[in-house]
Amino acid sequence: GEDVEQSLFLSVREGDSSVINCTYTDSSSTYLYWYKQEPGAGLQLLTYIFSNMDMKQDQRLTVLLNKKDKHLSLRIADTQTGDSAIYFCAENTNDYKLSFGAGTTVTVRA
Amino acid sequence: NAGVTQTPKFRVLKTGQSMTLLCAQDMNHEYMYWYRQDPGMGLRLIHYSVGEGTTAKGEVPDGYNVSRLKKQNFLLGLESAAPSQTSVYFCASTRTGGKETQYFGPGTRLLVL
Repeated sequence: GEDVEQSLFLSVREGDSSVINCTYTDSSSTYLYWYKQEPGAGLQLLTYIFSNMDMKQDQRLTVLLNKKDKHLSLRIADTQTGDSAIYFCAENTNDYKLSFGAGTTVTVRA
Repeated sequence: NAGVTQTPKFRVLKTGQSMTLLCAQDMNHEYMYWYRQDPGMGLRLIHYSVGEGTTAKGEVPDGYNVSRLKKQNFLLGLESAAPSQTSVYFCASTRTGGKETQYFGPGTRLLVL
């Protein structure tokens, strides 16, 4: 969606950290999400962050939220080949709807 | 639980033909959604439903119709397919709405010639 922007591609070496960035526009969003889509599959929720938090850590995943700049990032530590996928940032714009970014294709090279 | 399932997985249509995509969920979710995914554009909401018997338009509803006659099923219809409707279609469901996690089906690839 046009309200959420992400870079389209990221290439990272196996074992390095990946950082995927996202900017959003709706300052009233309560939750922000990261979804993962593997080839030929639907989207799967990776993690989410509540808008009153700055950071959330979940194993290899770290989400950082800068509400002032409306900037969200996802860091994947020790990136593995199984992390190759498309990653979507999303915000809830109202009670029924999520607005998705275009997705960042992450390629992990050996 | 099967979660969210979609039928068919893949379909080829000629321009002007009609078809119905079926989405089914066994999680007793109230909200259901139909999205289309096109390269470089992410997911765009076509139609959604907040409960059995109700439907509403999303961002890109033109050329599509939907029905939610049963809580567990959400049907997406194309009355007269056009090449611009070539896309991957995803269905999703959620318990109570936008703040809840959306569970996605595996997608239907549609090619309109």
